[in-house]
Amino acid sequence: TQLLEQSPQFLSIQEGENLTVYCNSSSVFSSLQWYRQEPGEGPVLLVTVVTGGEVKKLKRLTFQFGDARKDSSLHITAAQPGDTGLYLCAGAPNSGYALNFGKGTSLLVTP
Amino acid sequence: DVKVTQSSRYLVKRTGEKVFLECVQDMDHENMFWYRQDPGLGLRLIYFSYDVKMKEKGDIPEGYSVSREKKERFSLILESASTNQTSMYLCASSSRRDRDQETQYFGPGTRLLVL
Repeated sequence: TQLLEQSPQFLSIQEGENLTVYCNSSSVFSSLQWYRQEPGEGPVLLVTVVTGGEVKKLKRLTFQFGDARKDSSLHITAAQPGDTGLYLCAGAPNSGYALNFGKGTSLLVTP
Repeated sequence: DVKVTQSSRYLVKRTGEKVFLECVQDMDHENMFWYRQDPGLGLRLIYFSYDVKMKEKGDIPEGYSVSREKKERFSLILESASTNQTSMYLCASSSRRDRDQETQYFGPGTRLLVL
């Protein structure tokens, strides 16, 4: 069962545009991670959010964890071609060691 | 920096062969994981281990086994490879010692083709 739904599944934008990716669930998570994966490589951790309502910024990327810890968003300002990749969210249930992954949002930023 | 390495980036095997995928992490992490990633299906957990010699089945363990004889090494074994096991295999590790204990660190992946 896929507990985390990501939207949109695909996104193609031009350099300089803004975008938001969503990660939604009906389950509560103790923490949520965002990863970026480039073709042929493993996912690379971008951020971990642990507190409901938390906002973290990583240069042009802004991550928010929902107040109820069931959802999260990733906003990219002024996207660049280097942002191209697959963005994955993953949530940690309140018990257990394994993460639940969304299916990912594939982002293409063209010059 | 956490480093997770996988023994091969690309593998080509024939149906029925026994296949070993090795993963090593250098951060003394307790937890290790094996996933496979397929288009449209995302990452699916095959097996994980939270200690030496311990293993737990994930969502899709059929056709796979694992071995964790040392803390830093977690092996995935395909007893008799089949074409439907063609996939990208990702290893990950995480620590129970810090606040971000659920954060997983991934290796570069092994792309396996079974002919």
